[in-house]
Amino acid sequence: KAGVTQTPRYLIKTRGQQVTLSCSPISGHRSVSWYQQTPGQGLQFLFEYFSETQRNKGNFPGRFSGRQFSNSRSEMNVSTLELGDSALYLCASSRSTTTNEKLFFGSGTQLSVL
Amino acid sequence: AQTVTQSQPEMSVQEAETVTLSCTYDTSESDYYLFWYKQPPSRQMILVIRQEAYKQQNATENRFSVNFQKAAKSFSLKISDSQLGDAAMYFCAYRSATTSGTYKYIFGTGTRLKVLA
Repeated sequence: KAGVTQTPRYLIKTRGQQVTLSCSPISGHRSVSWYQQTPGQGLQFLFEYFSETQRNKGNFPGRFSGRQFSNSRSEMNVSTLELGDSALYLCASSRSTTTNEKLFFGSGTQLSVL
Repeated sequence: AQTVTQSQPEMSVQEAETVTLSCTYDTSESDYYLFWYKQPPSRQMILVIRQEAYKQQNATENRFSVNFQKAAKSFSLKISDSQLGDAAMYFCAYRSATTSGTYKYIFGTGTRLKVLA
């Protein structure tokens, strides 16, 4: 069974640009969540999707948005990039949104904003 | 709001020895779940162990065990017989289990574990 796939692995952008990151969950998983990881800050929750609906959202500005498609694949978009958006963006999938459900993570997309 | 604190940015342990990673959390909820995730250099996080708050018995997974102190809001991870492959960043995480909770995961800032040969 293929794991969670995130593309691209690395991305370099300049301030003001926008970026779209992709996440393909494990087959059969309907819940996808996104996290921003920075040194010293740990993982910050961005949002969670289940069956194409956003179920939870973290405390990030509106420049951060996401969506989920009918095949459970998810995309995350960041518009008007800022230097502080440089981070590792992790995607995780699970079968459902049950609270003790184990998360399966991808290897992340390392975004550098210059 | 719930918070998770990992006060040890970095720890070292000799191979085959035992090490304990600390985690404290703050919440007003009575029902929740706690997790330890491991992030090796490959960056892919892996679940190490999880604990339901309503269970008094500490969770155990092979060489990994937790010391869950609900009243003290403490959730430490003990790794016995440390192996070189245990070297990684370890994250403690909290998730609400109440129907009014937001269900989002709250992670600590991580502890980098080095295993010395």
